[in-house]
Amino acid sequence: AQKVTQAQTEISVVEKEDVTLDCVYETRDTTYYLFWYKQPPSGELVFLIRRNSFDEQNEISGRYSWNFQKSTSSFNFTITASQVVDSAVYFCALSGGGADGLTFGKGTHLIIQP
Amino acid sequence: DVKVTQSSRYLVKRTGEKVFLECVQDMDHENMFWYRQDPGLGLRLIYFSYDVKMKEKGDIPEGYSVSREKKERFSLILESASTNQTSMYLCASLALTGFDMNTEAFFGQGTRLTVV
Repeated sequence: AQKVTQAQTEISVVEKEDVTLDCVYETRDTTYYLFWYKQPPSGELVFLIRRNSFDEQNEISGRYSWNFQKSTSSFNFTITASQVVDSAVYFCALSGGGADGLTFGKGTHLIIQP
Repeated sequence: DVKVTQSSRYLVKRTGEKVFLECVQDMDHENMFWYRQDPGLGLRLIYFSYDVKMKEKGDIPEGYSVSREKKERFSLILESASTNQTSMYLCASLALTGFDMNTEAFFGQGTRLTVV
């Protein structure tokens, strides 16, 4: 069975601080896909990134960066120079690539204080 | 622009009512999903469908059923609504493009259902 653990229930930082959201996953699949989604107060899930298990290259997109390490089964997400607009619930998710959807972590509520 | 549309943003129903939550996608995706989201529990899969008229149970199917008569539409049905089904319901769709799943799951805006 697949499992995604986001141990941080809530994180609160002051604007401009860097913050890292942790994600640890479990799967028996040799091929799998990892995702991060952002859920702002409006409720809609916004796709941020997808990474497949064959690509351990870290990715940077503006202030966002992701660190994928198969050795520790982790896919962590870092926001550099955080802004108030980054306040949201962030979900990490895992898929085996089949038709049975994504397995989500419980989410991390990120609060950026001005 | 890709779209997954859920018929209602907010819904209030009475205990025992039959409730239909509708989801429509315009991306010609094969796979559609219903999740419910509760505080502290994340998103949990209720049912999914990989083709018209096909359905599979997810992790928490009890008290729910689904219908997929057309590829673009996936309905979640609460046969007899109960207060413990008060939740946010999210519909998603995605296409599987073979070995390299070069796609993402697209989500609707969510339906916040309150059962009183």
